[in-house]
Amino acid sequence: GAGVSQSPSNKVTEKGKDVELRCDPISGHTALYWYRQSLGQGLEFLIYFQGNSAPDKSGLPSDRFSAERTGGSVSTLTIQRTQQEDSAVYLCASSLAHGGGYEQYFGPGTRLTVT
Amino acid sequence: GENVEQHPSTLSVQEGDSAVIKCTYSDSASNYFPWYKQELGKGPQLIIDIRSNVGEKKDQRIAVTLNKTAKHFSLHITETQPEDSAVYFCAAGESGGSNYKLTFGKGTLLTVNP
Repeated sequence: GAGVSQSPSNKVTEKGKDVELRCDPISGHTALYWYRQSLGQGLEFLIYFQGNSAPDKSGLPSDRFSAERTGGSVSTLTIQRTQQEDSAVYLCASSLAHGGGYEQYFGPGTRLTVT
Repeated sequence: GENVEQHPSTLSVQEGDSAVIKCTYSDSASNYFPWYKQELGKGPQLIIDIRSNVGEKKDQRIAVTLNKTAKHFSLHITETQPEDSAVYFCAAGESGGSNYKLTFGKGTLLTVNP
């Protein structure tokens, strides 16, 4: 079946502009996660959704980052006033339910480059 | 919070040899340990996982072992093939309750030379 999809696959933006990254989880998956992967680094947890609620936003690096999820499905990660240090691959994952013991399935990521 | 250390950061082997990647974790509450393979330009793909009620799990050429007392777990790939070349990530999480996070290691770049 269809996996997690993300768009755009690549995004180049100028410093100071806002960007929106989209994630379409696997159908029926109630939990959705956003991670950031910088060059040569592991995956940094950003935020988690259970349904449309985000119980924990503490992984968001600054108040320029926000995320929402509507209809228990699609999620959007927004970065306002982008900075060069925001350049990274942003990965989305979904799982059947919340809880660290449920398999997380990842999308292909959005590569963000801030010039 | 949980801290996961992964070694080595790079590993180069000859085709047909075995490869071993090791991870340690700090939180004794962690009981779910997945391994992901990430090919260039793609998202991480779950390849195997183990839960703390077992010590070893195998799936064809891939096996994972867990030592809860020592808080370490390892990925073993036998009879390596060039298509095994990728970045491998270990992770640790807590099954159940309200803990939803997976904490990842920094990854191991595995190169299998033909």
